[in-house]
Formats: sequence, structure tokens, C-alpha cells
Amino acid sequence: AQKITQTQPGMFVQEKEAVTLDCTYDTSDPSYGLFWYKQPSSGEMIFLIYQGSYDQQNATEGRYSLNFQKARKSANLVISASQLGDSAMYFCAMREGPDTGRRALTFGSGTRLQVQP
Amino acid sequence: EAGVVQSPRYKIIEKKQPVAFWCNPISGHNTLYWYRQNLGQGPELLIRYENEEAVDDSQLPKDRFSAERLKGVDSTLKIQPAELGDSAVYLCASSPHSSGQTYNEQFFGPGTRLTVL
Repeated sequence: AQKITQTQPGMFVQEKEAVTLDCTYDTSDPSYGLFWYKQPSSGEMIFLIYQGSYDQQNATEGRYSLNFQKARKSANLVISASQLGDSAMYFCAMREGPDTGRRALTFGSGTRLQVQP
Repeated sequence: EAGVVQSPRYKIIEKKQPVAFWCNPISGHNTLYWYRQNLGQGPELLIRYENEEAVDDSQLPKDRFSAERLKGVDSTLKIQPAELGDSAVYLCASSPHSSGQTYNEQFFGPGTRLTVL
């Protein structure tokens, strides 16, 4: 079974509108962390936001928020007030194990977001 | 603070030729990862180092791939001989020691895009 599933290969959003990128995950480990990365056409992976499995509140970082629904095993990324510079590939990733662990990340297949003026 | 440095950024070789990639992680980061990213997919782990020790190399095709991290700092990933299917972006990432960290974010380099003809 896929550990990280991103079902939206591509998404379009109008500038200044909000957009939600979906991510579901599968793990039997009670401790895990969920990450979102942005990958522009230049190729670098840019960290956006993190949510730990024991965190009580949804993570927020500026215009990014993570809609964490543990029972449904989903960790959707919400980008508010989209900007043209948000056009990129977005990857959801999971690290199994405790927060202080250094295991590798398992990535989804990504969602390509295009912001239209 | 300087980020993760990788070289070369691009490499084109013919099949059966050897190739090597170099990574210099962020200063002080004990953990180093090599990922491979095929076109249209998320990165997948090849190998993880804790200092100079390879602690997870289960996904490394050992018949043709090798890696080393001498002195626990720089790392080199080698392919010999390269095959057509090795065409991909090879990403290096590093992560700080867990002491004092809530979680361990992975910082990615710009990657090396390999094309095997």
C-alpha cells in the first residue's frame, strides 16, 4: 500500500484565492511526522510546514496551514491568498518514528499547482 | 548559513560509463541522505548516513551504486556502470542532530540532474 497518496496530479487556482492540496497517509507507527515541501521549476525542495502526530493543534506558517485529521489519516495543505510565485510542485512526505528521529522521508507523487492571474 | 551544496548540477553520460556526485551538507549536520527523484515522482531514499556510518542503505542498488562519507562530512555517490534507467535527479539532504530540536527538518540541496544516453 502507498504510504503517502496525493490524488491531485494538477490543480489550478486564481491569484488571491485559497487552495487545498490533498494528502492521505498510511502508517501503523503511533509516532510520525508529516511534512510539506515545495519544488519550483528550478528543482530545489523548500520546506513549508510540519505536523507531528501528537500535536493537538493544526500547524500554521504564514499563508500555509495544515488541516490535520488524524482519524482520517489526512494532512491537507491549505494555501491562502495564492500568489503567482506559488506555482510549483508540492510534495507531502512522512517520517515514521518519533519527532527526534532522523529516518528518511517517504514522499507522495506530488501535485502541480498553477496560479493564474 | 550556507545550504547543502551539490555538484555537478547537470551531467550527461553514455550508458555503461561511470559517474559520481558530490554533496557537502550544512555545517554541523550529522545526518546525510541521498535521494533519487525520477521524472514526475517524489524523491526516494537511496542511503542515509549518521556521521560516517551508513545506517539505511536497503534501497541502494549495490551492484552498481556505491556511496561514502569520509570523516562524516562530505559524501560521494557513484554509479558504475550507468544504465538508461538511472536518468533522474539525485538529491542530497542533511539534518541536524536531534538535541534541542522539536523535529528534524531535512534541508535539500539543488540536486544533480543525470541524463544517461
